[in-house]
Amino acid sequence: AQSVTQPDIHITVSEGASLELRCNYSYGATPYLFWYVQSPGQGLQLLLKYFSGDTLVQGIKGFEAEFKRSQSSFNLRKPSVHWSDAAEYFCAVVAEGSARQLTFGSGTQLTVLP
Amino acid sequence: DTEVTQTPKHLVMGMTNKKSLKCEQHMGHRAMYWYKQKAKKPPELMFVYSYEKLSINESVPSRFSPECPNSSLLNLHLHALQPEDSALYLCASSPQDRFAYEQYFGPGTRLTVT
Repeated sequence: AQSVTQPDIHITVSEGASLELRCNYSYGATPYLFWYVQSPGQGLQLLLKYFSGDTLVQGIKGFEAEFKRSQSSFNLRKPSVHWSDAAEYFCAVVAEGSARQLTFGSGTQLTVLP
Repeated sequence: DTEVTQTPKHLVMGMTNKKSLKCEQHMGHRAMYWYKQKAKKPPELMFVYSYEKLSINESVPSRFSPECPNSSLLNLHLHALQPEDSALYLCASSPQDRFAYEQYFGPGTRLTVT
């Protein structure tokens, strides 16, 4: 069965600083990978996805992620963080043929300092 | 229209009440999902409907009863809930084409059981 690990429970960065959130997955074949963001009390918004092809994917709100098969990673990056980026970030994976069951990581809470 | 809507936003109910949560999408998606999310945790899958038929039930107690009256609408009927059922209930939908693994989430219903 697939699994997702987000090693950082909480990350604090200053506004304007760069950001990298880590995500490692465990799955034998090529997975479908996602990053979602959730503001307090809100639903999940899809930031970006990787299905195949170019391993560097661009998403909304200036985010990007890079799929590295050799490291089983799909880290999320942003060159300059804004205060409005403070939220919970979830990495998720779907195995092909898994009846579309998303497996989520435990999440990373991002705090942005002024 | 790329939106999943959920009503109500907040619901407070006693353990003997019967209530329903409603989810609607007009993106032509033929798969719809219910998730439960406790504070500081990732969403947990409860049910999956595909073409209006229940395809996955993740061993959810019978006090939760899903219904999919048509391809745009998903309900979750609640009866005799327990205080530990208090959570954010999220609805999601996904298409049936090559992006079938891409789930779009609604804003959620915050349920409190007293």
